[in-house]
Amino acid sequence: QVTLRESGPALVKSTQTLTLTCSFSGFSLTTTGMCVSWIRQPPGKALEWLALIDWDDDKYYSTSLRTRLTISKDTSKNQVVLTLTNMDPVDTATYYCARIPPGPYYYMDVWGKGTTVTVSS
Amino acid sequence: DIQLTQSPSFLSASVGDRVTITCRARLPISNYLAWYQQKPGKAPKLLVYAASTLQSGVPSRFSGSGSGTEFTLTISSLQPEDFATYFCQQANTYPLAFGPGTKVDIK
Repeated sequence: QVTLRESGPALVKSTQTLTLTCSFSGFSLTTTGMCVSWIRQPPGKALEWLALIDWDDDKYYSTSLRTRLTISKDTSKNQVVLTLTNMDPVDTATYYCARIPPGPYYYMDVWGKGTTVTVSS
Repeated sequence: DIQLTQSPSFLSASVGDRVTITCRARLPISNYLAWYQQKPGKAPKLLVYAASTLQSGVPSRFSGSGSGTEFTLTISSLQPEDFATYFCQQANTYPLAFGPGTKVDIK
């Protein structure tokens, strides 16, 4: 059974750096074609794709946030870490991680439950 | 970047209705499109990928179609558990992107 779980601080202050961890089981990020992605959703708003890391350690980022985002993986721990620098109240959102299975289509077939992050000014 | 639009943004429908949601891509993306359903307070759930392939376990009343720049998600007979928000996602090139969503509410 594939599961993912996000963890991190529920509250951060403006200008601080947010670090979120996605812990997963039921699959390996060493499998060719496997990817893990981060997505966020501000309250009452749409989903926003943030970043992706693949089995080969290639990394891809949102155009608007690429200067603030870093994604990394620890395959021995089955974890993917996302950092977002210089946090602002507009970054208040639920942050999700999701698996992208091997194949030509970059869709997310299993999602974590999400972790809510509030940024105070 | 490939942006997506969805129409309508909101629709009100009754149980048993046939519902169609449209997603348009700014540039052609072949069939690299996925659809998700999200209920309040829950993570999105994958319904359709490759524009028309139903994810395992998804009821057959859901169907997807389209290619290029225009795609549709159809619910053939709306059920009470289908009232939710639906998002499309382009799965073709980086950066990936989601549509703004369509909320399906009870009439």
